[in-house]
Amino acid sequence: KAGVTQTPRYLIKTRGQQVTLSCSPISGHRSVSWYQQTPGQGLQFLFEYFSETQRNKGNFPGRFSGRQFSNSRSEMNVSTLELGDSALYLCASSSGRALGDTQYFGPGTRLTVL
Amino acid sequence: DAKTTQPPSMDCAEGRAANLPCNHSTISGNEYVYWYRQIHSQGPQYIIHGLKNNETNEMASLIITEDRKSSTLILPHATLRDTAVYYCIVRVAGTGNQFYFGTGTSLTVIP
Repeated sequence: KAGVTQTPRYLIKTRGQQVTLSCSPISGHRSVSWYQQTPGQGLQFLFEYFSETQRNKGNFPGRFSGRQFSNSRSEMNVSTLELGDSALYLCASSSGRALGDTQYFGPGTRLTVL
Repeated sequence: DAKTTQPPSMDCAEGRAANLPCNHSTISGNEYVYWYRQIHSQGPQYIIHGLKNNETNEMASLIITEDRKSSTLILPHATLRDTAVYYCIVRVAGTGNQFYFGTGTSLTVIP
């Protein structure tokens, strides 16, 4: 079974631009979660989508948004980029059906904002 | 939300068992404990998880104390490839998936 894939793997943008990151979950998984990892703040939860609906949201500004498609693929969008948005963005997929569910992470997208 | 406390770093000799502790004293009854590791800023890799019973798989063993306030991840025969940051995570109770990642333990396996 193929793992979680994320595209692109690396991205360079300038302040004020917007960016869209993509995540394809493991086949059959309906939950996709997004995390941001920075040296200063560590790994922080952004949001989770399950069956095309946002089910949980972390403490991030509205510039960070996401969506999920009917095939469970998910996209994350960051508008009006700031230097502090430079980070590794990780997505994780799971079946989303049980408390003891396991999340599997993708390799991440490294975003650099200049 | 339950939070976790881990030592920032540990060393282990190659071939010996690595025992990584984690405190989660405010864990709720339905919150699972998960362990992941991350190598060189790759995506975190799932290791093991449990609710209250000890668990073992091909990678590691998880020992959870009876009061569930702490746990230990055991890598039985550490290799150089086990050098990584290990995260003990308590999944936030409620619907959906939301992991709280602490700062983790940087494990260095020494030849």
